[in-house]
Amino acid sequence: GENVEQHPSTLSVQEGDSAVIKCTYSDSASNYFPWYKQELGKRPQLIIDIRSNVGEKKDQRIAVTLNKTAKHFSLHITETQPEDSAVYFCAASQGISGGYQKVTFGIGTKLQVIP
Amino acid sequence: EAQVTQNPRYLITVTGKKLTVTCSQNMNHEYMSWYRQDPGLGLRQIYYSMNVEVTDKGDVPEGYKVSRKEKRNFPLILESPSPNQTSLYFCASSPHPLSYGYTFGSGTRLTVV
Repeated sequence: GENVEQHPSTLSVQEGDSAVIKCTYSDSASNYFPWYKQELGKRPQLIIDIRSNVGEKKDQRIAVTLNKTAKHFSLHITETQPEDSAVYFCAASQGISGGYQKVTFGIGTKLQVIP
Repeated sequence: EAQVTQNPRYLITVTGKKLTVTCSQNMNHEYMSWYRQDPGLGLRQIYYSMNVEVTDKGDVPEGYKVSRKEKRNFPLILESPSPNQTSLYFCASSPHPLSYGYTFGSGTRLTVV
């Protein structure tokens, strides 16, 4: 089955600096890669996603890049702010036998933005 | 408002006492899933359902049951809870997980003593 590795597990940055979180996946059949943000005590929420036919996607201060050959994708947050402090999860989705789809998550990265 | 509703938010129970965590979505999503979240282990899938009467095991299904008799509802059943099932549980739904992300419920914090 699919295995998604995420690193680093914790990341501290100064306010205004950039943060990068990286994920690798094992199954070349994976073709959809969402990122979720989970603030303390709250539910995960989708913040950005990328499909396998796209190499990069931006939404204001966040961007995601995908390298299908190397099987890795990354989340980039620029001009970080204290409200960016949260746990971030990457995920990979793939179709499996019988027409099912499976979503596998990374273990999460706790981002702390220091004012 | 489009949402996934889980109940209860908090539950303390004793070993062996059957319980059900309810999940309902109002977005007409076909795909629903249950995850448990534990420190250092991220989100692990328990069961998922592609549509009414279509369910399958995720990565950690032992000790859990699910049913999908209606499109909007996907309850999680613990027939005989044990302390190792103490965790934070999330229900989630999606129109199609190969193209769209999940909408998560607010979570259920379960403690089994």
